[in-house]
Amino acid sequence: AQTVTQSQPEMSVQEAETVTLSCTYDTSESDYYLFWYKQPPSRQMILVIRQEAYKQQNATENRFSVNFQKAAKSFSLKISDSQLGDAAMYFCAYRRLIQGAQKLVFGQGTRLTINP
Amino acid sequence: ETGVTQTPRHLVMGMTNKKSLKCEQHLGHNAMYWYKQSAKKPLELMFVYSLEERVENNSVPSRFSPECPNSSHLFLHLHTLQPEDSALYLCASSPQVAIWDRDYEQYFGPGTRLTVT
Repeated sequence: AQTVTQSQPEMSVQEAETVTLSCTYDTSESDYYLFWYKQPPSRQMILVIRQEAYKQQNATENRFSVNFQKAAKSFSLKISDSQLGDAAMYFCAYRRLIQGAQKLVFGQGTRLTINP
Repeated sequence: ETGVTQTPRHLVMGMTNKKSLKCEQHLGHNAMYWYKQSAKKPLELMFVYSLEERVENNSVPSRFSPECPNSSHLFLHLHTLQPEDSALYLCASSPQVAIWDRDYEQYFGPGTRLTVT
């Protein structure tokens, strides 16, 4: 079974600085997808960034980028130029397909605080 | 507006009550999901429906009963719940996808905060 581990329950960063959130996963599959989701206090889960395992190039979305290390089964999220609106719970997730639908396995989450 | 709505947003119920949570998506998706989010635990996938057929049931107690009458609506019927069932219940939807499709994002609703007294 796939598992996802986020070892940092809480992180804090100064506004405008860079922070990295860690995620490791365990799987026996060779092709899969990984995601980072953000859950602000409003509780709305929002997709931040995705990575296809067969791609060696790390995904980037504006200030968000990942460091995907397939051999190490590591998938960290880097947030550059942190903004107050980035404060939220961040969840790492692994995806596999079930009959055309998706099964997302989530990590425990990291609560990110932005200090002004 | 994410296109996935959930009602009610808050629900308080006694252990002997029967209630239902409703989820509706306006995105034309064919797969829908129920998740449970408890404090200090990862999101737990409860049920998955693909083309209105249940394809995953993660050992969820029978006091939770899902229903998917069509691809736009998903219900979670609640009966004789326990206090430990208090949690945030999230609904999500996604397109039906082949393994190499890129458009496979799950869109989440805002959740229903359930308190069992």
